[in-house]
Amino acid sequence: DTEVTQTPKHLVMGMTNKKSLKCEQHMGHRAMYWYKQKAKKPPELMFVYSYEKLSINESVPSRFSPECPNSSLLNLHLHALQPEDSALYLCASSLAPTDTQYFGPGTRLTVL
Amino acid sequence: AQSVTQPDIHITVSEGASLELRCNYSYGATPYLFWYVQSPGQGLQLLLKYFSGDTLVQGIKGFEAEFKRSQSSFNLRKPSVHWSDAAEYFCAVGAWNYGQNFVFGPGTRLSVLP
Repeated sequence: DTEVTQTPKHLVMGMTNKKSLKCEQHMGHRAMYWYKQKAKKPPELMFVYSYEKLSINESVPSRFSPECPNSSLLNLHLHALQPEDSALYLCASSLAPTDTQYFGPGTRLTVL
Repeated sequence: AQSVTQPDIHITVSEGASLELRCNYSYGATPYLFWYVQSPGQGLQLLLKYFSGDTLVQGIKGFEAEFKRSQSSFNLRKPSVHWSDAAEYFCAVGAWNYGQNFVFGPGTRLSVLP
């Protein structure tokens, strides 16, 4: 089973709202990732958690705040987003930080 | 920095025809190479990967890819395309030897004519 689940599938939020995206995997993977993908572009890496510790932050604005409560869960907390943050947010996981990544279905975020 | 190029932005083929999607990479060490497929509004699904060994790699859905070190290429092929293969295809390299993560190519959009 190579399933990564993400909730919600769709999210619409105002610029003053606070919301969270959730990602879960039960494959025993120890690395988890957040990507942002705009239309017709490849995914852009935002954050990497390795063994539940933040190992890579690709200079992402502080209005995006990741959290890894345990080895199976990854959250992305959103606050005071801008319309240009509207995108597909993808979560991925891998057995180790240098291994094949398996992607979830994504959350389509719209910021009004 | 390591990079991946996919020279074809958009390819259209007829159903039943053969397919080849091109991928070239720039990477100093032995590359870890991947092909992913993405249907509209969906996540990325792994088609196949190359880490070492046999340079012809078989994947899911009847796809295969061949690693050619001399040409720095990892082209994806399918002998007979189905309408359901219409999607975006991304080639990626695992650039871990250089302190990077996955480096994705820009993608190739495949359209299939009935």
